[in-house]
Amino acid sequence: GEDVEQSLFLSVREGDSSVINCTYTDSSSTYLYWYKQEPGAGLQLLTYIFSNMDMKQDQRLTVLLNKKDKHLSLRIADTQTGDSAIYFCAVTSGGSYIPTFGRGTSLIVHP
Amino acid sequence: EAGVAQSPRYKIIEKRQSVAFWCNPISGHATLYWYQQILGQGPKLLIQFQNNGVVDDSQLPKDRFSAERLKGVDSTLKIQPAKLEDSAVYLCASSPETGNTIYFGEGSWLTVV
Repeated sequence: GEDVEQSLFLSVREGDSSVINCTYTDSSSTYLYWYKQEPGAGLQLLTYIFSNMDMKQDQRLTVLLNKKDKHLSLRIADTQTGDSAIYFCAVTSGGSYIPTFGRGTSLIVHP
Repeated sequence: EAGVAQSPRYKIIEKRQSVAFWCNPISGHATLYWYQQILGQGPKLLIQFQNNGVVDDSQLPKDRFSAERLKGVDSTLKIQPAKLEDSAVYLCASSPETGNTIYFGEGSWLTVV
């Protein structure tokens, strides 16, 4: 089955850009998602990209997809303290519409 | 538009006791999911409903977990008897149909002591 890997922690200074990386194993992946989870809350869908796209931009968020390397990244421009949360990469593949989640990357934004 | 509602938000029980969680999906969403999220891990699908029928329950520990979705709207997830390793957040989610974007509730936090 699909395996989704993320680094566990990322620390950035307020105002800098954050880049959260994700790798996956199934080359037939179709939909790739980024979710945000704040403390004590559920998962909030941030953005998603189809596998036939290389890039998607949505305000401060930029998603890059490298299908050859099976690598997905989320760039947050001008990172704010309110962006501190856990970010989950999730991927659907193999004809299944059920996403497989990574373990999440804790983003810590300090002044 | 109201989101996915879950209750209770927090529950502490002793091992071998039972617990039930309730979920009300977004209005009109045909597909409902229950996920288990253990601390430090990503969510793992337990069961998927399409209307009131089960689509996938292959990851549900059926010896102790059960779920139902009567009338194709609300759903309940029950654990009986609970084990220490069941301590987790139980996330309910819904989507308009299978294959659409999944929207999550805030979760029910279970601690088994």
